[in-house]
Amino acid sequence: QKEVEQNSGPLSVPEGAIASLNCTYSDRGSQSFFWYRQYSGKSPELIMFIYSNGDKEDGRFTAQLNKASQYVSLLIRDSQPSDSATYLCAVTDAGGTSYGKLTFGQGTILTVHP
Amino acid sequence: DGGITQSPKYLFRKEGQNVTLSCEQNLNHDAMYWYRQDPGQGLRLIYYSQIVNDFQKGDIAEGYSVSREKKESFPLTVTSAQKNPTAFYLCASSAQGGEQFFGPGTRLTVL
Repeated sequence: QKEVEQNSGPLSVPEGAIASLNCTYSDRGSQSFFWYRQYSGKSPELIMFIYSNGDKEDGRFTAQLNKASQYVSLLIRDSQPSDSATYLCAVTDAGGTSYGKLTFGQGTILTVHP
Repeated sequence: DGGITQSPKYLFRKEGQNVTLSCEQNLNHDAMYWYRQDPGQGLRLIYYSQIVNDFQKGDIAEGYSVSREKKESFPLTVTSAQKNPTAFYLCASSAQGGEQFFGPGTRLTVL
């Protein structure tokens, strides 16, 4: 059974701080890693994906992947109250020419307070 | 405007009744997926399809059925065999090797 575990929340950070969200996965064959943001009552929205070891930055978001440790994280810099949401980590063993089944973590609730 | 649509937004089911949830996409994606989300939980895969007229069971397929007669459409039927169907149902699609994008979801409640 493939498993994806996220750090238990809820996570509360002050506005302007860095929020750090963590995720570990059990399948060493995993190749692609995704972070989704889900506002209450809404569907998940893809915010970051990463395929290679190291860091990937997009605006205030940085995804970090360490395949040896089976660990992926999401950093949100200069956190804003609008970042308050549930963040879902998802993992697939599909590569670039196939279709993947995503395995999701249970999500981490982030609250950014003014 | 490209995207994924799901209908209805809210659905109520009586005991013993089958209901069908609609999912349509105009992104020209080959693959489509159905997930279920329970309160405070992540998403669990029900069924997925990588090509027209073919689909596979996901992790929790019991009590559900699907069809894929057109590339754009992937309806999900929740049958009376599904004993605890109250949940948020999400449809997604993806291109080959690509990321999955989600529709707005259908919230199903059993009366």
